[in-house]
Amino acid sequence: AQSVAQPEDQVNVAEGNPLTVKCTYSVSGNPYLFWYVQYPNRGLQFLLKYITGDNLVKGSYGFEAEFNKSQTSFHLKKPSALVSDSALYFCAVRDQAGTALIFGKGTTLSVSS
Amino acid sequence: GAVVSQHPSWVICKSGTSVKIECRSLDFQATTMFWYRQFPKQSLMLMATSNEGSKATYEQGVEKDKFLINHASLTLSTLTVTSAHPEDSSFYICSAPMTGRTMNTEAFFGQGTRLTVV
Repeated sequence: AQSVAQPEDQVNVAEGNPLTVKCTYSVSGNPYLFWYVQYPNRGLQFLLKYITGDNLVKGSYGFEAEFNKSQTSFHLKKPSALVSDSALYFCAVRDQAGTALIFGKGTTLSVSS
Repeated sequence: GAVVSQHPSWVICKSGTSVKIECRSLDFQATTMFWYRQFPKQSLMLMATSNEGSKATYEQGVEKDKFLINHASLTLSTLTVTSAHPEDSSFYICSAPMTGRTMNTEAFFGQGTRLTVV
């Protein structure tokens, strides 16, 4: 069965500092990995995805993520955090065509000024 | 980019009544749509897979008679919460992948519906 783990409920970082939001996954086949961001009472906004190719994936709003097969991880990163990055972040995985995304529990990112 | 529209964005209803939530793909066809439920500060839990022209597939523990799903066309799926009770209060979100691109598409999400049952 597929699963996604986000070990941190909350990540706190000062504005301008680099940020990392952790994600590990478990799938039986090739993983297709995604990051989404959610603002209060809103739907999900797509940030980036890993399907194949380069392990470092660049996405929206300056975010990037590194796929590490040996560690089964797909951590979200940003070199310099903004206060406006404060939100709830979800990692998700899919390993079969036509199936729904399976989400991690989410990590709240809080960026202080 | 592709857009999924969900309506209403919020609804308050009395206990015992039914509420219908619509999910529309605006510029693409979706033979499959997914319905999720999200509790406060928690993850999205898949409730069911809506299939155009056939019955929905429900996840374990989801009452199919309570959460009625109808995928009437290639652009519309509806979720009806029947005989709603306060414990049904939650944030409901739909998503739709583009037909024929189910592996590498990121899936597009509606804005979500905040249901409050009083």
